[in-house]
Amino acid sequence: NAGVTQTPKFQVLKTGQSMTLQCAQDMNHNSMYWYRQDPGMGLRLIYYSASEGTTDKGEVPNGYNVSRLNKREFSLRLESAAPSQTSVYFCASRLLGAGAHTGELFFGEGSRLTVL
Amino acid sequence: QQPVQSPQAVILREGEDAVINCSSSKALYSVHWYRQKHGEAPVFLMILLKGGEQKGHEKISASFNEKKQQSSLYLTASQLSYSGTYFCGALDGSSNTGKLIFGQGTTLQVKP
Repeated sequence: NAGVTQTPKFQVLKTGQSMTLQCAQDMNHNSMYWYRQDPGMGLRLIYYSASEGTTDKGEVPNGYNVSRLNKREFSLRLESAAPSQTSVYFCASRLLGAGAHTGELFFGEGSRLTVL
Repeated sequence: QQPVQSPQAVILREGEDAVINCSSSKALYSVHWYRQKHGEAPVFLMILLKGGEQKGHEKISASFNEKKQQSSLYLTASQLSYSGTYFCGALDGSSNTGKLIFGQGTTLQVKP
């Protein structure tokens, strides 16, 4: 089983360039998330999608857009990259149970983005 | 609001015990715990639910005090493989479909 697959794994951009990080899961999960990780800052939620057709802002959404393309895929777009967006980006998914707070997160391997 | 973890870092010898705490200024309905090894993705350890139910995969215990809005992760007789950064996560609100927010992490280093 592939689990959560992110592409690309590494990317270098120049300030002002745009790019899209792709994420796909094959576990039939309904909920998907994008986090960024910076040293000493932990994992910060950018956007999430509780179910197909819905997306919501997380803690640090500025400068990003997302698309929940279908149940499997959730992409993150940087329209005009800035050096402050240099980070490791993790996509994750979980299966939400009706009315229960269960559902562990499964993470992708991460995408390392450098903006010069 | 981000959960607060303490301590920020711990250094242990093999066989020693450690406690990592996670507290929130908001009501907690469940707490997730994850471990991340250097250069890898975070991996699930356990979920603690309101009412004391635990769901996990490893022999690491934890507690959840709803009144104090905090959770503690107990690592007993630590092994070298326990080294890594531990994160607690909490849902922002009572709905399971809400934001899952993480603390800043606690780095644990186990030495031989």
